[in-house]
Order: sequence, then structure tokens, then C-alpha cells
Amino acid sequence: NAGVTQTPKFRILKIGQSMTLQCAQDMNHNYMYWYRQDPGMGLKLIYYSVGAGITDKGEVPNGYNVSRSTTEDFPLRLELAAPSQTSVYFCASRTWGTGGYTFGSGTRLTVV
Amino acid sequence: AQKITQTQPGMFVQEKEAVTLDCTYDTSDPSYGLFWYKQPSSGEMIFLIYQGSYDQQNATEGRYSLNFQKARKSANLVISASQLGDSAMYFCAMRGRGSQGNLIFGKGTKLSVKP
Repeated sequence: NAGVTQTPKFRILKIGQSMTLQCAQDMNHNYMYWYRQDPGMGLKLIYYSVGAGITDKGEVPNGYNVSRSTTEDFPLRLELAAPSQTSVYFCASRTWGTGGYTFGSGTRLTVV
Repeated sequence: AQKITQTQPGMFVQEKEAVTLDCTYDTSDPSYGLFWYKQPSSGEMIFLIYQGSYDQQNATEGRYSLNFQKARKSANLVISASQLGDSAMYFCAMRGRGSQGNLIFGKGTKLSVKP
């Protein structure tokens, strides 16, 4: 089915470990976003991309890195995981103009 | 700065009644978009309704309508004939300024529908 696919759905990391959250979309959307949602809060923007090869920081980028080598994929890298990165991570995409946003189903990450 | 404010952390509504979830926004841009999303306990973000700043009519999608009052900078969600399946978190969001066009979210309102 067309949409945004996130993997894994759940992950437990130990402090100091690293991992990559995968995000792929098959709608040929130019814009892609990574958000985090802390308990009881709305989503906050971590990084975004307006096209392949172009990425930029959002509101809460510290501790994360991204890359966008293709239109379809937008992985989020966590280096040296910390308990403060325990959250639910959402990837989203949209097309040009005022197109709507499509969200992935989320990745629930716990750092212990 | 752009900001979304949802002042109701939790709301209760009786099944089959209507309910209004409040949302106010702050922006200096003349062109913006306002969104409402539903997040059930399963966690996914479900798009409900969209209102553009230049739209003359209030947006409607089935049982959902958006009460857009531009001068007051409010974009309240009205759910008519509430159903048990409407119990969820509801987020108001605004498309941010600039080329990135990211969504700026409020903190959400937890709606509980009572039988």
C-alpha cells in the first residue's frame, strides 16, 4: 500500500548505543520530516528535507542526524543514545504546495 | 513566533452529543493552513480536516467541521454525534512559514466519549 513506512515499530536501546530509524515513502513526495512526541505532548520537528540531498535542522535536532540520498528514503540516526531520547518518533511526507501530510505509524524508542 | 494553543487537556462528552475542541493560533503570515489530527490509543496520526487561511467557508468532513474565526485566530474542531470510537487525543496544527512547510502542533486534547 502507498504511504510512509517506518521501521522498527519498537526498540529498546542502552545508553550510549546507536541506531537508525528507517523511513520510506512511495508517493514521490519531495518534503519529508522527522518528529518526536514525548508523553502528553504534541509533535516537535527534529529534521526535515525538501528534496534529495537537502536536509536541515528543526526545533530539536541535538543528538540526531539525517541523510536524504534518494527521494524515497529519509533515515534518522541516533548517536550515543540518552534517556532523554525516549520518545515516539514519526516520519511524515508531503508533496509540493498545500498538499496534505502523510504520517508513518511511528517508532516507540526506549533508552535505558 | 508561530504557536498553537490547545487549552483543554481533557474533555468528556456523552455519546451522540456534539463537542467542540478549542484551538487558537498565532502567526504573522497572511497565508497559512490549519489541520486537525486524531491520535487513537494505537498511536497513529489520522488526518481529519484542513482549513486554508483564505478559505471563505468553514471546512467540513463528514461529522467533523472546523469553526474558523480568523479575526480571533481560532480554529475549533466540532465533532457532531460523538461515537465511542471518537475517544482519542486530538491535535491542532499549523503549517509553518518558510520553504520547509513543517507542521507546528499544539499539546493536544484528550477526548473521552461516555456511553
